[in-house]
Amino acid sequence: EDQVTQSPEALRLQEGESSSLNCSYTVSGLRGLFWYRQDPGKGPEFLFTLYSAGEEKEKERLKATLTKKESFLHITAPKPEDSATYLCAVKGDNYGQNFVFGPGTRLSVLP
Amino acid sequence: EAGVTQFPSHSVIEKGQTVTLRCDPISGHDNLYWYRRVMGKEIKFLLHFVKESKQDESGMPNNRFLAERTGGTYSTLKVQPAELEDSGVYFCASSQQVQETQYFGPGTRLLVL
Repeated sequence: EDQVTQSPEALRLQEGESSSLNCSYTVSGLRGLFWYRQDPGKGPEFLFTLYSAGEEKEKERLKATLTKKESFLHITAPKPEDSATYLCAVKGDNYGQNFVFGPGTRLSVLP
Repeated sequence: EAGVTQFPSHSVIEKGQTVTLRCDPISGHDNLYWYRRVMGKEIKFLLHFVKESKQDESGMPNNRFLAERTGGTYSTLKVQPAELEDSGVYFCASSQQVQETQYFGPGTRLLVL
């Protein structure tokens, strides 16, 4: 059964204090790993898709990396507006496999 | 380009009543998905439409839930009769191809009293 775990559950950073969020996954044939950002009361907002080990993607202060067992979301010099819940999801390669989400990491960036 | 929209944003009903949620996907997206997040849990897959056909409804909790997508455009998710454990946030997502990134709507927050 496909599984996704995320750590830490919650993270508090000072503005400018860089850190990383972890997403560990078990899937029978990875089709893609997806990072989303979710603000309170809103739906998940797409950030990145990673398809194969070694792949990296960047967007502003965020950088996502992927290995065969986990993905990291690196946040460089975060700002208060980066505060949100970051969700990781995987999709298996077999037809019919659907998104499996992790529980998320709640990030708070203090000014 | 308009994103995925959902209606209503909130719904409060009593146990035993019926509620219908609506999702309008991004124009041109043949794939439409329903998800649910109950309090303190992960977002869970409910079902997947390709155009008007149900591709996978393995995540539907029971036969009190009925999803339709007439004409392959918007979709509705009906809960009848609603139970307390149906409370949660129901998200809809859409994608162009089945293996591509899914874009989510803002969700419908359902509270069953």
